[in-house]
Order: sequence, then structure tokens, then C-alpha cells
Amino acid sequence: GAVVSQHPSRVICKSGTSVKIECRSLDFQATTMFWYRQFPKKSLMLMATSNEGSKATYEQGVEKDKFLINHASLTLSTLTVTSAHPEDSSFYICSAKGTGGTDTQYFGPGTRLTVL
Amino acid sequence: QKEVEQNSGPLSVPEGAIASLNCTYSDRVSQSFFWYRQYSGKSPELIMSIYSNGDKEDGRFTAQLNKASQYVSLLIRDSQPSDSATYLCAVNGDKIIFGKGTRLHILP
Repeated sequence: GAVVSQHPSRVICKSGTSVKIECRSLDFQATTMFWYRQFPKKSLMLMATSNEGSKATYEQGVEKDKFLINHASLTLSTLTVTSAHPEDSSFYICSAKGTGGTDTQYFGPGTRLTVL
Repeated sequence: QKEVEQNSGPLSVPEGAIASLNCTYSDRVSQSFFWYRQYSGKSPELIMSIYSNGDKEDGRFTAQLNKASQYVSLLIRDSQPSDSATYLCAVNGDKIIFGKGTRLHILP
């Protein structure tokens, strides 16, 4: 149980384009999903927290107009990187926390974004 | 500033020995504690969660929690080369905070 999927696993795009990453909880309902970014050999950096049906809460320094987050259902959250630039190239990982009082986060497999 | 501190390593341990990973945290009201394993280029996977003082064992892994000392550790018995990874400590108070991780290298 507690499986989280991400799609795509890898994406290469041209500078200036937008990329959408999907995060799905496959066997549980996730009231809260988290989006992280990780640069090579660096630690996880929390970008934002999204609760189903409400606006995401962004961490300090993360541009909400650049990283659009939608959490429209209890099993799906999306992150859209708008007008991507090479410095946005990174490993983006989502995690989900289920209902029922548990505070355990389960991570998706990650999406490696390369912006040319 | 609430913090979770881990030694970045690398921690080198001979195969078959016990690997001991340590973590300290600053927020005294933290209630939940987690250890994740992350292989290079992969996302973290949950190994253990612990909520009360003492030891919790799961196979070769033992998590130890001491809330008075604000200290949580992970012991890996009979270390295998496949245990070589970065281990992340996470602490949940009003929000979950991750440490920067300890790189563990098991020497064959």
C-alpha cells in the first residue's frame, strides 16, 4: 500500500516552454501533497504544500507564478513549471500524506527535468 | 529556526558490521520521527517511523528515540553493500523537516 506515482519520469524541454508534472496517490486518498526539488548531491528542498481543494502554500523564495500547483482531487496534484529556463533543471519529487490521521509521507519516484 | 541535524558523512562501515546513523532535532514538541533511504538518482523511500521513546525494530533496522535528548538514531545490523545510500532523518512537529542526510558506504 501507499504507492505514489509521478509522470513523466523524465522530460527534456526547450527554454521558455511549460512543463506539467503529475503526482498521483494510487491506493490511498491524499489530503496533502508536497512538492520538493533536489539538485545533484544536495538535500531535498520543500517547494510547496498543497491541500485538496485549496491554494498551495509556497515556501519562502519559491515563485508561485512560476511553479503552479493544482490539487483538484484527493488522488492528483500537478506542478507546472512555466516558462522553464535551464536553471529550473532539477529532480522534482512529490510526496503524499494520507487521510486517517497518519503523518507519514510517501514519495513518488521523481521527475527529472532538463531544460535546454 | 527549527532544525534537523545529521552528519553528512560519508560513513564507511565494513560489510556485516552495524551501521549507526544519528540525528538531532531542535523542536521539543516534535511528535513523529522518520528514517528514509535515498539511493543516488532516486526518490526517498520510507524505512521506519517511530513515535515513542525507546527502540523499534524491523528486520535488520532498529530506530531509537530519546525525546529528552532530542535524539533519534537508526541502526542497521549485518550491513550489506545494498545498504549504501543516503539516509534522511525527518521530524514532524507542526510541519515535517528533513535533515540533509548521511551518506553511508558499506565496504565489501
